[in-house]
Amino acid sequence: EVQLVESGGGLVQPGGSLRLSCAASGFTFGEYAMHWVRQAPGKGLEWVSGIHWNGDNIGYADSVKGRFTISRDNAKNSLYLQMNSLRTEDTALYYCAKDFVRSGFDYWGQGTLVTVSS
Amino acid sequence: DIQMTQSPSSLSASIGDRVTITCRASQIISSYLNWYQQKPGQAPKLLIYGASSLQRGVPSRFSGSGSGTDFTLTISSLQPEDFATYYCQQSYSTPRTFGPGTKVDIK
Repeated sequence: EVQLVESGGGLVQPGGSLRLSCAASGFTFGEYAMHWVRQAPGKGLEWVSGIHWNGDNIGYADSVKGRFTISRDNAKNSLYLQMNSLRTEDTALYYCAKDFVRSGFDYWGQGTLVTVSS
Repeated sequence: DIQMTQSPSSLSASIGDRVTITCRASQIISSYLNWYQQKPGQAPKLLIYGASSLQRGVPSRFSGSGSGTDFTLTISSLQPEDFATYYCQQSYSTPRTFGPGTKVDIK
């Protein structure tokens, strides 16, 4: 059974940093691209960042470019999102999602909540 | 970046109704269009990928069509468990943009 479990969310002040993690199991993690998607309270889905299976191809939404860094450790079956210079508008539930070979995201975690507030 | 729009933004329907949701891309995306269902408090669930392919385990009352820039999600006979918000998403290019969502609720 595929499982994606996010962790690392919490309350942080504007300008602060957080590192999110996603632990994957039930599939060959190193063969798939992975993504972070966020959802602000009461709002829609926003793709944040994605990383190719080997880490070579990385993309970011304009809203986080230069502040967030995605990475992965295939030996540990883990995906990460380093978030720096956090803003109040980064407050959201952050989901980790598995790529379905450019056909959408077929598995999602339950999300980890990030709240940026003073 | 490719912009995605959806219509309507919300709709009210009854059990057994046929429901159609439209998604439009700001440029041609071939068939790289996916549909998700999200219920309150849950993660999104992939329903349709490649514009018209039904994800494993998804009921056959869901179908998708379209190519290029215009796409449609159809629920042939609405069931109680289908009341949710539906999102389209393009996987043609990065960023993998989502539409704003269509909320389907009970009439």
